[in-house]
Amino acid sequence: AQSVTQLGSHVSVSEGALVLLRCNYSSSVPPYLFWYVQYPNQGLQLLLKYTSAATLVKGINGFEAEFKKSETSFHLTKPSAHMSDAAEYFCAVSRGSQGNLIFGKGTKLSVKP
Amino acid sequence: ETGVTQSPTHLIKTRGQQVTLRCSSQSGHNTVSWYQQALGQGPQFIFQYYREEENGRGNFPPRFSGLQFPNYSSELNVNALELDDSALYLCASSFGQEQTSQYFGPGTRLLVL
Repeated sequence: AQSVTQLGSHVSVSEGALVLLRCNYSSSVPPYLFWYVQYPNQGLQLLLKYTSAATLVKGINGFEAEFKKSETSFHLTKPSAHMSDAAEYFCAVSRGSQGNLIFGKGTKLSVKP
Repeated sequence: ETGVTQSPTHLIKTRGQQVTLRCSSQSGHNTVSWYQQALGQGPQFIFQYYREEENGRGNFPPRFSGLQFPNYSSELNVNALELDDSALYLCASSFGQEQTSQYFGPGTRLLVL
């Protein structure tokens, strides 16, 4: 069975500070991993995805994530937070390319001026 | 190229009623997946339709059913509504059965009283 754990339901950073959102996964097969962002009253937007190619994945809006098999982690980072990054972020895993997405509970990111 | 659209945006029903939610997939996409996102939770997979056939189902009871039409738009029907069905219902479209390129709509917020 596959699962995702997002550490920290709420993360607060200052504008310009490093953003680090943590995601650990459990999977019995090589996983595909995703990060999505959800702005208030909107659907989900794909930030980036890992599909067994390069372990360091670059996404939109300056975000990136590194797949670490030994740590079963896929943490999301951004060097410098912007006010517009305030949103909820979801990590998800699928069983290869055709498995359904299994989401974590989400981490709400607040950015202070 | 139009994105994924969902209707209605908001809906209020009473317990025991039935509801139909609609989703128009992105141009060129032939697969639609439905997710339920309860307040404060990550989305949970309900089912997927590929070329008008159900192609995978999550842990939801049979009173959750769906359809996909020849133009690849889709409906989610929920019978005998319960209070716990109150949630944001998200539709995602993709081409083929791969989950790596799903595009989400803005969702329908359902409140069951």
